[in-house]
Amino acid sequence: EVQLVESGGGLVQPGGSLRLSCAASGFTFSSYEMNWVRQAPGKGLEWVSYISSSGSTIYYADSVKGRFTISRDNAKNSLYLQMNSLRAEDTAVYYCAREIVATTAFDYWGQGTLVTVSS
Amino acid sequence: QSALTQPASVSGSPGQSITISCTGTSSDVGGYNYVSWYQQHPGKAPKLMIYEVSNRPSGVSNRFSGSKSGNTASLTISGLQAEDEADYYCSSYTSSSTLGGVVFGGGTKLTVL
Repeated sequence: EVQLVESGGGLVQPGGSLRLSCAASGFTFSSYEMNWVRQAPGKGLEWVSYISSSGSTIYYADSVKGRFTISRDNAKNSLYLQMNSLRAEDTAVYYCAREIVATTAFDYWGQGTLVTVSS
Repeated sequence: QSALTQPASVSGSPGQSITISCTGTSSDVGGYNYVSWYQQHPGKAPKLMIYEVSNRPSGVSNRFSGSKSGNTASLTISGLQAEDEADYYCSSYTSSSTLGGVVFGGGTKLTVL
């Protein structure tokens, strides 16, 4: 069974940092592109970042470019999102999501982890 | 303001059919067959319902279908059931450098009367 489990969310002050993790199981992690998608409270979905299966290709939404860094460790079946210079508008539930190869469609999602940026 | 435009809400009675539209541009919906649709119940993670405009993942009911014409994609749900009441989001690949790789619609709340 495919499982994605996020962790690392919490309360952080504006300007602070947080590192999210996503533990994958039930599939060959190294064969899949992965993404982070977020959802602010009561709002819609927003794509955040993409990483290719090998980690060699990375994309970011303009709203997080220069502040967030996506990475993966295929040996540990894990995806990460390093978030720096956090702002109030980064407050959201962050989901990791597996992508159906080269389709931009996300077929499996984690349960999400809440990041709250507030003083 | 979302990159893709969806109606805020739609409604229908059990057994009826409804259609949710998703309007973009030639840089996203109109230019590529990489449109997806997601269903999200309150407090839950999104669930993929349609990908590549009209493909259904294994396990998704054939009551759900997708199509595209020009810059507008559509999700049709036939034989509405109470459990279909949820928020629905479309997404598309985008070649717009200012939006990144994937754009979502603002979401549509489906109410089953």
